[in-house]
Amino acid sequence: SQQGEEDPQALSIQEGENATMNCSYKTSINNLQWYRQNSGRGLVHLILIRSNEREKHSGRLRVTLDTSKKSSSLLITASRAADTASYFCATDRGSTLGRLYFGRGTQLTVWP
Amino acid sequence: DGGITQSPKYLFRKEGQNVTLSCEQNLNHDAMYWYRQDPGQGLRLIYYSQIVNDFQKGDIAEGYSVSREKKESFPLTVTSAQKNPTAFYLCASSTPRDRLNTEAFFGQGTRLTVV
Repeated sequence: SQQGEEDPQALSIQEGENATMNCSYKTSINNLQWYRQNSGRGLVHLILIRSNEREKHSGRLRVTLDTSKKSSSLLITASRAADTASYFCATDRGSTLGRLYFGRGTQLTVWP
Repeated sequence: DGGITQSPKYLFRKEGQNVTLSCEQNLNHDAMYWYRQDPGQGLRLIYYSQIVNDFQKGDIAEGYSVSREKKESFPLTVTSAQKNPTAFYLCASSTPRDRLNTEAFFGQGTRLTVV
């Protein structure tokens, strides 16, 4: 079963604009992760935010986590056409086994 | 180069056949995972293994089997009992240095089609 729900399901923007994707989840977590998937390829890890963290940055990526609302957001600033991909959030549901539970993803299209 | 390799990239299966998808990693990771991805969907866990010679069923294990005889290898067999096997299969590995915060490394996937 899906752990999280990303929204929007699809997002289309122009180069240079910011892209914001959201993720909601239902259980307690140790951490929340964001992954990127180019069409027909494997997933690539972007960023991990721990349950005791509220915000994390990595280059043009900014992730926030609100455990009281059980939600997270991924912000990509100054988007580029190369950012076109699907973005997934994943949580561990509080497990220590290393299992990850993925949402259905947001398909981001950045137009040049 | 360290990484996780899946083969083949494309695989065609006839009705009633078993097929085996390969997954090899040279990252010295203890844990390995198999996920299935259907169009427009997230990833669903088929099987996972935390250590050699041990594995557990995930959420959709019916019609699949795995083995973990070596740390580097975690092959997935899609049996004839799997009624709808056409999908994109992803293998991943991780190492729980810190069991609470571990990222997964993914292979490039195998696209299986039943013909």
